[in-house]
Amino acid sequence: SAVISQKPSRDICQRGTSLTIQCQVDSQVTMMFWYRQQPGQSLTLIATANQGSEATYESGFVIDKFPISRPNLTFSTLTVSNMSPEDSSIYLCSVEVKVSGELFFGEGSRLTVL
Amino acid sequence: GNSVTQMEGPVTLSEEAFLTINCTYTATGYPSLFWYVQYPGEGLQLLLKATKADDKGSNKGFEATYRKETTSFHLEKGSVQVSDSAVYFCALSGSARQLTFGSGTQLTVLP
Repeated sequence: SAVISQKPSRDICQRGTSLTIQCQVDSQVTMMFWYRQQPGQSLTLIATANQGSEATYESGFVIDKFPISRPNLTFSTLTVSNMSPEDSSIYLCSVEVKVSGELFFGEGSRLTVL
Repeated sequence: GNSVTQMEGPVTLSEEAFLTINCTYTATGYPSLFWYVQYPGEGLQLLLKATKADDKGSNKGFEATYRKETTSFHLEKGSVQVSDSAVYFCALSGSARQLTFGSGTQLTVLP
């Protein structure tokens, strides 16, 4: 299994500001992903975080809005830039564990943008 | 591309009732299929999975069978409890290994 620590767990932000979410996992992982869960909706993949190179973004998501870093195998950050109320969501980090290939999720970061 | 269609909720049942939540999928190749559960105020947890046709995933009394011929992975439980109240997500994982989720089904079990 994997224990994923996501910070912050929740935050209230002002329009136009940016916030960085951190994801730290306690074991060796192959893949790291970032998802968004808008209020009352399902999860949508934002991007795959690639170690040492630019993230791979899904349609509808761009690097300028959601810059992602992954400096090593067990740590990644997602920044939500120039936030608007439409960015109010839960942002979740997901990892694929190297040994088992299973996917695990962090508890999420609940952002509210005023 | 890949997609998952899930039974819309909310679903409200009495304790000890039988539960079915339908899930069908569209995918290229041979995806793995999953059910995730999100309890109130908690993160997403893997409930069960199946990686090939005719596999049955099971956990905590829940079951789902990977049916390739009907492209389905319906979730069932013979006798639900109040503690099963949660949102249930069907998902698939293709060759790129990221997950495609269904819309989620809110289950409420009344005592």
